[in-house]
Amino acid sequence: GAVVSQHPSRVICKSGTSVKIECRSLDFQATTMFWYRQFPKQSLMLMATSNEGSKATYEQGVEKDKFLINHASLTLSTLTVTSAHPEDSSFYICSASVGRPTLGYEQYFGPGTRLTVT
Amino acid sequence: KNQVEQSPQSLIILEGKNCTLQCNYTVSPFSNLRWYKQDTGRGPVSLTIMTFSENTKSNGRYTATLDADTKQSSLHITASQLSDSASYICVVSGADSWGKLQFGAGTQVVVTP
Repeated sequence: GAVVSQHPSRVICKSGTSVKIECRSLDFQATTMFWYRQFPKQSLMLMATSNEGSKATYEQGVEKDKFLINHASLTLSTLTVTSAHPEDSSFYICSASVGRPTLGYEQYFGPGTRLTVT
Repeated sequence: KNQVEQSPQSLIILEGKNCTLQCNYTVSPFSNLRWYKQDTGRGPVSLTIMTFSENTKSNGRYTATLDADTKQSSLHITASQLSDSASYICVVSGADSWGKLQFGAGTQVVVTP
């Protein structure tokens, strides 16, 4: 089956620094990638949708200047948390889709990245 | 208000027993409904995906049902195993949203020996 990887799996950083998380589709080309955030005992919250070569679409309440998304190729998307603060500590999950999930195309999730800001 | 509601929030079952999880949704127009299994600290893994014309779909010991008229779905786990301990998330896709999925809060299942 389709595999999505994330790197790193865990990261601890100091407040004020920036952290980059990579999301790769390993054996397929993803037209769209999604970034989610998940707090303990809560479900996934969509942060942004990105299509290769175009600007990401951010959900309401998500600061685009704080969470920079780059979808440079059909197999790679990156999320950069700029000037991270303790409240940004969370579990970040990406997913990738070949086509529109609304049409039944599968959305494959990565294993997640645990970010802890001290 | 969340457009996808799951119940129960959590349940504990004995190994070998069956259980059923519920999902009610209000997403309209409706495209498809998915059940995912999420182990702690991991990303979700797809179990089933159903469109409005499908009533039931199985994946091993997991069987999902869908009633698009009443906007209800269930996930039945047969002969539970310890490895079934996880959060089970109901996800609904609306027909008019570009790829955007509506997530339920999940049901936390704990299987005990």
